[in-house]
Amino acid sequence: AQSVSQHNHHVILSEAASLELGCNYSYGGTVNLFWYVQYPGQHLQLLLKYFSGDPLVKGIKGFEAEFIKSKFSFNLRKPSVQWSDTAEYFCAVNANAGKSTFGDGTTLTVKP
Amino acid sequence: EAQVTQNPRYLITVTGKKLTVTCSQNMNHEYMSWYRQDPGLGLRQIYYSMNVEVTDKGDVPEGYKVSRKEKRNFPLILESPSPNQTSLYFCASSFGGDYGYTFGSGTRLTVV
Repeated sequence: AQSVSQHNHHVILSEAASLELGCNYSYGGTVNLFWYVQYPGQHLQLLLKYFSGDPLVKGIKGFEAEFIKSKFSFNLRKPSVQWSDTAEYFCAVNANAGKSTFGDGTTLTVKP
Repeated sequence: EAQVTQNPRYLITVTGKKLTVTCSQNMNHEYMSWYRQDPGLGLRQIYYSMNVEVTDKGDVPEGYKVSRKEKRNFPLILESPSPNQTSLYFCASSFGGDYGYTFGSGTRLTVV
């Protein structure tokens, strides 16, 4: 069975600080990996995805993530956060076609 | 506008009274899925469908039914709702496993 673990439940940063959110997955085969963002009171939106090729993927709003197969990790990064990045972030894995598993989420609070 | 539409947005019902939450997408997506979101538990997949008349269980299917008679619609049925099904529900659709999901705006269900 596939599983996803997000290490930080709540992260608090000041504007312009760098961000890294950890995500580890458990699955022995080929996976597709995703990061989603959920702004307060809204639905989830896709930030970025990885399914093959360059392990460093770039997404919207200046976010990027690096897939490290040997560590089963897919960490999300942003060099300089803004107050508007305050949201909940979810890592997700698709290992079997339509079946997808999400992590518990990380709440990011950016102080102005 | 490309979107996933769920109805209703809010619903309060009583234990045991059958209800249906509708979901429709206008993007010709093959895959559709239902999730529930609970505090501290992230999103958990209830059911998913990879094509018309093809559905499969996610991680928490007990107490729910789905059907996929048409490509665009994927209703979620609670035959006999119970208070532990009080949650925020999201419908989502996708072109396939390599793609991320597009989410609806959510349905907040309260069962009393």
